Amino acid sequence: EAGVAQSPRYKIIEKRQSVAFWCNPISGHATLYWYQQILGQGPKLLIQFQNNGVVDDSQLPKDRFSAERLKGVDSTLKIQPAKLEDSAVYLCASSLETASTDTQYFGPGTRLTVL
Amino acid sequence: GDSVTQMEGPVTLSEEAFLTINCTYTATGYPSLFWYVQYPGEGLQLLLKATKADDKGSNKGFEATYRKETTSFHLEKGSVQVSDSAVYFCALHTGGFKTIFGAGTRLFVKA
Repeated sequence: EAGVAQSPRYKIIEKRQSVAFWCNPISGHATLYWYQQILGQGPKLLIQFQNNGVVDDSQLPKDRFSAERLKGVDSTLKIQPAKLEDSAVYLCASSLETASTDTQYFGPGTRLTVL
Repeated sequence: GDSVTQMEGPVTLSEEAFLTINCTYTATGYPSLFWYVQYPGEGLQLLLKATKADDKGSNKGFEATYRKETTSFHLEKGSVQVSDSAVYFCALHTGGFKTIFGAGTRLFVKA
């Protein structure tokens, strides 16, 4: 079974530029998550989708971050414009459903450096 | 609000030593509790989980018991190996779509 795919793996941009990350979850997984992991910290949930609907985006900085999950499969996370404090690893995860007992499966992450 | 607190690292042990990594949580309702591990150069992966009070999760010689009375989910292993060197994250998932991770504890095991 293929795992969660993410691209790119690394990205370096200047502040105020835009960037987009892509995620392809495990086939058949209804729920998709985007996390931000700053160096030395645990992952922080940014947004959670159930199929193509948003179920939680309370920690997404909506003035600069946006995410979509068209057709309930792939997802993109965009930052526009980027700030220095956005430097982090962006993790995508998926699970079968949204039950609290569901295991989340993580992709390798995209390491973003904002200069 | 809901939160997860882990013991700070790094934790350095010799091979075959006993490991405990403490994790306590604050949550409304009845969350499920998880330990995820991140080996060097790899992505996060599930190590074990427990979905209700008094459940014990176990995998690869690691164990953790969901203690509602002490709001804890401490990770233990009787004899660590060099290959267990990694960062360990305690996490809770609630039915209200909340997923909260602890800050992580880095473990170094010396041969």
